[in-house]
Amino acid sequence: QQKVQQSPESLTVSEGAMASLNCTFSDGTSDNFRWYRQHSGKGLEMLVSIFSDGEKEEGRFTAHLNRASLHVSLHIREPQPSDSAVYLCAVSSWMGYKLTFGTGTSLLVDP
Amino acid sequence: EAGVTQSPRYAVLQEGQAVSFWCDPISGHDTLYWYQQPRDQGPQLLVYFRDEAVIDNSQLPSDRFSAVRPKGTNSTLKIQSAKQGDTATYLCASSLGDRGTGQLYFGEGSKLTVL
Repeated sequence: QQKVQQSPESLTVSEGAMASLNCTFSDGTSDNFRWYRQHSGKGLEMLVSIFSDGEKEEGRFTAHLNRASLHVSLHIREPQPSDSAVYLCAVSSWMGYKLTFGTGTSLLVDP
Repeated sequence: EAGVTQSPRYAVLQEGQAVSFWCDPISGHDTLYWYQQPRDQGPQLLVYFRDEAVIDNSQLPSDRFSAVRPKGTNSTLKIQSAKQGDTATYLCASSLGDRGTGQLYFGEGSKLTVL
């Protein structure tokens, strides 16, 4: 059964500094990787999806995927206080939408 | 375009009581998902439908949880005889198809507290 782990559990960065979040997964057949953001009391907002090794940029959000290392990361350029939220990594196989989520990284951006 | 709508947003129950959550997906989306998100954890899939058919309910506690989508549009998730361990936010999501490079769209969730 797929296991998805995220690190760190929480992260504080200063406004404008780069924020880097990590996600490891256990199933080497995984081919569908998504990063979501969840503000307190709100639903999930998809930030970036990536399906092949390498890099995918969506605005200030960049995902890096290395399937051989079972690792996907999210980098947030010039974070703002409004980016303070929980960030969730989600993974699936067979390009399906049946996603397995990690437990999240809580990001706080100090002004 | 309206997003995924869920109600009620909040519910507080005593153990043993029942509750139903309702979800209205994005118009035209044939696939609907129910996730359970305990506090400080990631969402976990309970069940998903393609049209009115259940595709996967392997993680749905079948003795107390049930989910239906009778006309392939709106869906109801019901919990009977709730337990404190059911305290969580229940998220509904919808999509066009159940695989590919498209998006799942999530509602804001129904937060359940069982005392």
